[in-house]
Amino acid sequence: DAKTTQPPSMDCAEGRAANLPCNHSTISGNEYVYWYRQIHSQGPQYIIHGLKNNETNEMASLIITEDRKSSTLILPHATLRDTAVYYCIVRVANRDDKIIFGKGTRLHILP
Amino acid sequence: DAGVIQSPRHEVTEMGQEVTLRCKPISGHNSLFWYRQTMMRGLELLIYFNNNVPIDDSGMPEDRFSAKMPNASFSTLKIQPSEPRDSAVYFCASSLGGPTGEQFFGPGTRLTVL
Repeated sequence: DAKTTQPPSMDCAEGRAANLPCNHSTISGNEYVYWYRQIHSQGPQYIIHGLKNNETNEMASLIITEDRKSSTLILPHATLRDTAVYYCIVRVANRDDKIIFGKGTRLHILP
Repeated sequence: DAGVIQSPRHEVTEMGQEVTLRCKPISGHNSLFWYRQTMMRGLELLIYFNNNVPIDDSGMPEDRFSAKMPNASFSTLKIQPSEPRDSAVYFCASSLGGPTGEQFFGPGTRLTVL
């Protein structure tokens, strides 16, 4: 699986949009971009995934650049409960395969 | 659905003792994953099963670690003998596969080896 690069930490004010960047310049054509997050003392939680089109669900939006070498996860109205480590992962979808977690971005939501 | 169930939630043991961690995946899921998380190494995949068969155990640190999945609803991760460096949070996850390949994680077992 391709590797990803994320900033180690970010701050965001409560109520504002949190934009978390991810670089994946070696992504292959059949690899999707996945985002998971891990709230303190809990197991990781799936957020969203996409291939090349922008995606939105009840939790977040995913914006993937046209060349697919980078993406941004957007939490539109961050709350204190969004404080967590966010992992950007690239992998082939529809495959019972392992996830390689990097170090992720530690997002602090400030009151 | 109760989600992925792990037991015990906390385990404190002494070096040299055998430790068994247990996991019940979500009903109907056909893949099961064991992860270990420490401050130093982050979240690492130890082993995963597909349809109860071990597919990749390259992350198992050494022979002291073993994992079994005797049926679709139960898996164990055993450490024998345990060492202080095995202290970590151990997560179990399960997956249905399918278009998203989303993995659902359990609450974890916090293991402390004295």
